[in-house]
Amino acid sequence: QKEVEQNSGPLSVPEGAIASLNCTYSDRGSQSFFWYRQYSGKSPELIMSIYSNGDKEDGRFTAQLNKASQYVSLLIRDSQPSDSATYLCAVNRPGNTPLVFGKGTRLSVIA
Amino acid sequence: DAGVIQSPRHEVTEMGQEVTLRCKPISGHNSLFWYRQTMMRGLELLIYFNNNVPIDDSGMPEDRFSAKMPNASFSTLKIQPSEPRDSAVYFCASSPGTRELFFGEGSRLTVL
Repeated sequence: QKEVEQNSGPLSVPEGAIASLNCTYSDRGSQSFFWYRQYSGKSPELIMSIYSNGDKEDGRFTAQLNKASQYVSLLIRDSQPSDSATYLCAVNRPGNTPLVFGKGTRLSVIA
Repeated sequence: DAGVIQSPRHEVTEMGQEVTLRCKPISGHNSLFWYRQTMMRGLELLIYFNNNVPIDDSGMPEDRFSAKMPNASFSTLKIQPSEPRDSAVYFCASSPGTRELFFGEGSRLTVL
């Protein structure tokens, strides 16, 4: 089983809709979870971090974490064409270890 | 404040040639990471340094790859000899720890 799994997509949503991106991880002891956005030809940039179970909201973005199910998600409300990008889920395993990234989900917001 | 600076942005070389990629981390960050990104394998960690010391190089694919960090403001990733399967985008990232990573723009390597 891969350490961090994401559906590769593409996930297509109409403008104004809610985009839901999902990620599962294998190490139950993982403690920190991150969502990075990567536009085509660019580098990943951090958009959300979450450390405890529940929801964390930042503007149009909501990160959700369920450690019992080893599941983390990102919701994007009122999706815009400018949100079209690849979204990478990253997990910090136990100990002071580097992030492990999923392969990313490509999101396409259709105007 | 300047971000992570990588050079070259693009490199095209022939199989067997030596390739050197360079990185200047964000000042004050004590961790530096080299990642490689391909369509097939995604973003893979090659090596990371903490306070200029290599901590984990288990991701380095083979002996053809080497990385150094001679001081807090400079790191290199070297491939010698290069092979077509090394073609990828190589990202350098720095962090004040191991959590929040700040990526450079990447070096796109093509080995013919």
